[in-house]
Amino acid sequence: GENVEQHPSTLSVQEGDSAVIKCTYSDSASNYFPWYKQELGKRPQLIIDIRSNVGEKKDQRIAVTLNKTAKHFSLHITETQPEDSAVYFCAASMGRRALTFGSGTRLQVQP
Amino acid sequence: DVKVTQSSRYLVKRTGEKVFLECVQDMDHENMFWYRQDPGLGLRLIYFSYDVKMKEKGDIPEGYSVSREKKERFSLILESASTNQTSMYLCASTQGGSAYEQYFGPGTRLTVT
Repeated sequence: GENVEQHPSTLSVQEGDSAVIKCTYSDSASNYFPWYKQELGKRPQLIIDIRSNVGEKKDQRIAVTLNKTAKHFSLHITETQPEDSAVYFCAASMGRRALTFGSGTRLQVQP
Repeated sequence: DVKVTQSSRYLVKRTGEKVFLECVQDMDHENMFWYRQDPGLGLRLIYFSYDVKMKEKGDIPEGYSVSREKKERFSLILESASTNQTSMYLCASTQGGSAYEQYFGPGTRLTVT
């Protein structure tokens, strides 16, 4: 089955800096890669996703890149703000198979 | 707005008890999922269902069973609760196929003593 590894487990940045979270996956057949954000005490929510026919996707300060050859994908947050502080999860899936999640990254943005 | 609700936010049970966790979604979603969330381990899939009366094992099904008698409701059952099942349990739903946004419930923090 699919295995998703996520790094780093914790990340601390200064407000205004960029943050990068990286994930690798094992199943070359995976074709859907979402990122979820979970604020303290709240449920995970989708923030951005990418499909395997696209190499990069942007949404305001958030971008995701995908390298299918290397089987890794990354989340980039620019101009970080305190409200970006949360746990971020990457995930991967193919077709009707369920998502496999990474272990999560706790991002702390210092004001 | 998609709404996924779970029967309890907090639950305390004794070892050996049978435990029912219920999840209801109101968007006519075909797919429903049960995860457990533990620090440093992310979200691990217990069971999922693509249709009524249909279920598939996830990555960690041991000690759990599920029931989906109606499209909107997906129940997770701990036949005989054990202390290592103390965890946060999250339910999610999505329209057809996993390559769509999953909508999560608020979670149930289960403590087994």
